[in-house]
Amino acid sequence: AAGVIQSPRHLIKEKRETATLKCYPIPRHDTVYWYQQGPGQDPQFLISFYEKMQSDKGSIPDRFSAQQFSDYHSELNMSSLELGDSALYFCATGLAGGIEQFFGPGTRLTVL
Amino acid sequence: GEDVEQSLFLSVREGDSSVINCTYTDSSSTYLYWYKQEPGAGLQLLTYIFSNMDMKQDQRLTVLLNKKDKHLSLRIADTQTGDSAIYFCAEQGSSGSARQLTFGSGTQLTVLP
Repeated sequence: AAGVIQSPRHLIKEKRETATLKCYPIPRHDTVYWYQQGPGQDPQFLISFYEKMQSDKGSIPDRFSAQQFSDYHSELNMSSLELGDSALYFCATGLAGGIEQFFGPGTRLTVL
Repeated sequence: GEDVEQSLFLSVREGDSSVINCTYTDSSSTYLYWYKQEPGAGLQLLTYIFSNMDMKQDQRLTVLLNKKDKHLSLRIADTQTGDSAIYFCAEQGSSGSARQLTFGSGTQLTVLP
């Protein structure tokens, strides 16, 4: 069965650079959630989208933005990267009102 | 997460049962979840329980929910070395359209041969 695809899987950036993370949902899933998991931490909710509209916002820094496109894939844009942004970034997808969220394998971002 | 608490570590012998505990704070959460994360990997949904249920069994997994005490547990029967991982409980948001998950801090399960 098709799973959630995230790209890239690994990304190394320097401070103050920008990064774009991509998430491709399971077919027919219309809702995307982004989570950040720091080293040894639990995943923290950043932002979510339903039908290309932002549906909820968590602890996402102002330096980050995200959007969902007409094909339901989503991109997380991160600017002015800081050392503390080094983390695993997961997207999860599901159906609106659905019970389950299916997580992608994550993008490991390292900021040097 | 600050609203969902778990003990950090658990060690068991292969073949024994494991019980991982979780307490949550949002009494209006509709669904509660258990996820498994192996080193460097993503989060795998193991099971979930609806808040008006007390128990759910799925093969080797048994979830118990005490809604009065806001206590959730995951029992793994006949624990195997492949069960070694971090286990997160999570509650689903209950306000408005919020469906995001709030995770506990995770319990590192180590299965000893």
